[in-house]
Amino acid sequence: QQQVKQSPQSLIVQKGGIPIINCAYENTAFDYFPWYQQFPGKGPALLIAIRPDVSEKKEGRFTISFNKSAKQFSLHIMDSQPGDSATYFCAASGGAGANSKLTFGKGITLSVRP
Amino acid sequence: DTGVSQDPRHKITKRGQNVTFRCDPISEHNRLYWYRQTLGQGPEFLTYFQNEAQLEKSRLLSDRFSAERPKGSFSTLEIQRTEQGDSAMYLCASSFLQGAIDTQYFGPGTRLTVL
Repeated sequence: QQQVKQSPQSLIVQKGGIPIINCAYENTAFDYFPWYQQFPGKGPALLIAIRPDVSEKKEGRFTISFNKSAKQFSLHIMDSQPGDSATYFCAASGGAGANSKLTFGKGITLSVRP
Repeated sequence: DTGVSQDPRHKITKRGQNVTFRCDPISEHNRLYWYRQTLGQGPEFLTYFQNEAQLEKSRLLSDRFSAERPKGSFSTLEIQRTEQGDSAMYLCASSFLQGAIDTQYFGPGTRLTVL
């Protein structure tokens, strides 16, 4: 049973476009939701994270929207650039206590065309 | 560079051999995690430490796997009698537990290939 599901599997946008990556989770005990960016041969790098007490969080060109009742959250990348071409993972955890391990989605490959 | 470091970055071994990986966390981070990532998948949790105590192990961590963090600083992950199915990227992450937030920062990973 996959606890965190991402969609779409891959995404191609033109430079300046706004790719939207969606994530759905099943475990209602999750209360921390980060997004990671990974380039080939590198480890995941934290982009932005949200907790369920807010519905939206923005950091630079990255915005997370969170819908607790639907158990969904999404990543929006404003003014996308070719350098944003990477694999993006959503993840979830039970927070800082005993359930702090991250459960990841399968990732989506984003290509930003010049 | 004050990020998480891992050594070696690449390891090629023959089936049946033992391998050991090292992770150095960000200084003063009290939690250290190990994950495994196979091609086309997200990282999967293996185990984690708070200081030197190993608090949780995944069912993925068979008897052939052992991890240590002897002084609450660096950690090692050993795989005994490697199998081809062990081929993967092994990722280490560290965090400093602060209130309700446990933000994990990942290292570059160790790519293991078992022939």
